[in-house]
Amino acid sequence: DSGVTQTPKHLITATGQRVTLRCSPRSGDLSVYWYQQSLDQGLQFLIQYYNGEERAKGNILERFSAQQFPDLHSELNLSSLELGDSALYFCASRETGSGANVLTFGAGSRLTVL
Amino acid sequence: QKEVEQDPGPLSVPEGAIVSLNCTYSNSAFQYFMWYRQYSRKGPELLMYTYSSGNKEDGRFTAQVDKSSKYISLFIRDSQPSDSATYLCAMGGSARQLTFGSGTQLTVLP
Repeated sequence: DSGVTQTPKHLITATGQRVTLRCSPRSGDLSVYWYQQSLDQGLQFLIQYYNGEERAKGNILERFSAQQFPDLHSELNLSSLELGDSALYFCASRETGSGANVLTFGAGSRLTVL
Repeated sequence: QKEVEQDPGPLSVPEGAIVSLNCTYSNSAFQYFMWYRQYSRKGPELLMYTYSSGNKEDGRFTAQVDKSSKYISLFIRDSQPSDSATYLCAMGGSARQLTFGSGTQLTVLP
């Protein structure tokens, strides 16, 4: 167990729907990162939060949004879902105060859009 | 052109073989270099972390970084069936997010 908790583990939904993925970082970690992993694109950075504030954006679609709450858990909202959004979504956290870029990943949420 | 290119594999080797996994990169701002291992249907887990050019050894694993050539490698000695996984190189700089290679799937046959 990495200490990063993601729910749900699996999600099956239909095109056009909206889903919310949840992440709790390791105890004490203030940073949360979201990554998308699909077969053809590999692991792609979506967005980063630090202590409730957005810090960096990657290849995140306008249909996707995220936020980090005061208790430091984060949610990734995916709307108007398309077949191509089917992927593994990973959350990661970074040790606070660490100068290194080492990220610890959760087990992921597998999204299937039918 | 992607910032990080990784030999895609898949790679299949017999038990006990030496495995070499490689990545090249184009962004000179990358300062940190890592290898993650990802078992099927699991999250990536950190295997090796290096900051500078040169070699770093940890048991059967050796990470090598050549900043002048923008090339990093991971060597696995005496490979075991339990090493069968996807290996991802990752790099970062002043920006805190990591950029990943596409991964190399390794199978070690008993």
